[in-house]
Amino acid sequence: GNSVTQMEGPVTLSEEAFLTINCTYTATGYPSLFWYVQYPGEGLQLLLKATKADDKGSNKGFEATYRKETTSFHLEKGSVQVSDSAVYFCALNRPGTASKLTFGTGTRLQVTL
Amino acid sequence: GAGVSQSPSNKVTEKGKDVELRCDPISGHTALYWYRQRLGQGLEFLIYFQGNSAPDKSGLPSDRFSAERTGESVSTLTIQRTQQEDSAVYLCASSLTSGGSYEQYFGPGTRLTVT
Repeated sequence: GNSVTQMEGPVTLSEEAFLTINCTYTATGYPSLFWYVQYPGEGLQLLLKATKADDKGSNKGFEATYRKETTSFHLEKGSVQVSDSAVYFCALNRPGTASKLTFGTGTRLQVTL
Repeated sequence: GAGVSQSPSNKVTEKGKDVELRCDPISGHTALYWYRQRLGQGLEFLIYFQGNSAPDKSGLPSDRFSAERTGESVSTLTIQRTQQEDSAVYLCASSLTSGGSYEQYFGPGTRLTVT
């Protein structure tokens, strides 16, 4: 079946540091890939997505590129802010239709001044 | 417009009691999903509704769990004879099923604690 593996947290960075959160997946076919974010005390929000190989999703300075050859979708940001402190979830589902999401376990990011 | 809403936001119940959790999807969203998030773990899929039918209920962990949906509106997740391992945050999401965008929008969740 489908699965998503994320790097374990917590990840602690100083403000303006470079962020990478690794995500790899196992799936049949070519899934759609997502990063969701959960800020403290808030619900889960879609951060970015990519639906085919080599697509780059981007939002709020975050980027992730769909790499079919390495089955990866790593999240990056060039300069993190304290306000980026949150839990980040990598997820996938079957493309082109409404279907369940398969999530990774989440990575907590803590950004300090 | 209004997002996905869930009630109650918190529920504490005694082991063995039944609980009902409610989800109000975004108006016009024909797809509705239930997920469970246990402490320190990722989200687990429970059940998916297309309209009021459930083509995928593969994630329901036992026959103590059931869900129903009225038309393309409210859904309730019922847990009978609750156990301590049922303690988790239960999240509901909804999405469109046409037009090419199937992004799932999540509610704030119901935190269930079984004592």
